[in-house]
Amino acid sequence: AQRVTQPEKLLSVFKGAPVELKCNYSYSGSPELFWYVQYSRQRLQLLLRHISRESIKGFTADLNKGETSFHLKKPFAQEEDSAMYYCALRMNSGYSTLTFGKGTMLLVSP
Amino acid sequence: DAGITQSPRHKVTETGTPVTLRCHQTENHRYMYWYRQDPGHGLRLIHYSYGVKDTDKGEVSDGYSVSRSKTEDFLLTLESATSSQTSVYFCAISETTGELFFGEGSRLTVL
Repeated sequence: AQRVTQPEKLLSVFKGAPVELKCNYSYSGSPELFWYVQYSRQRLQLLLRHISRESIKGFTADLNKGETSFHLKKPFAQEEDSAMYYCALRMNSGYSTLTFGKGTMLLVSP
Repeated sequence: DAGITQSPRHKVTETGTPVTLRCHQTENHRYMYWYRQDPGHGLRLIHYSYGVKDTDKGEVSDGYSVSRSKTEDFLLTLESATSSQTSVYFCAISETTGELFFGEGSRLTVL
């Protein structure tokens, strides 16, 4: 079965510092990976997905199949980045639901 | 925001009572999901639906049932609520199985 691991429950950084939220997965096939974000008092929403290879709000994530990782990175954190971040995986075979990690709370201090 | 609403948004109930949460969408999306969110567990899939009257179990389906009699409504029922079902419940919809659009959540407390 597929599994998503986010090793950090909480990541606390200062404004302007680089940020890396870790995500590792276990799945023998070819997965689709996503990052979802939940800002305070807002709905969960898609931040980015690996197949689009885009940068959203300054965040990027590269799928590393060798290391089975999909870490989320931003070179300079902003206070408004403070939120809960979830990594999610979907098996790329037929119909499949999303499996989420346990989430990482990012706190960016001034 | 996608047209998805959950009701009730907050509910306090007692152990052993039945509870139904409703998810309503105006997007005509095929897929609908119920997740629960708990500290230390993240989001876990309870049940999902891939069409009217077509549902399937997720990771944590014990103690829950669902029904989808119309495209726009997906009901989650706790037949006999337990304290372990105290949680925040999220409904989500999608047209494909990639991007999910989430509701605002329903906070359930079982005393």
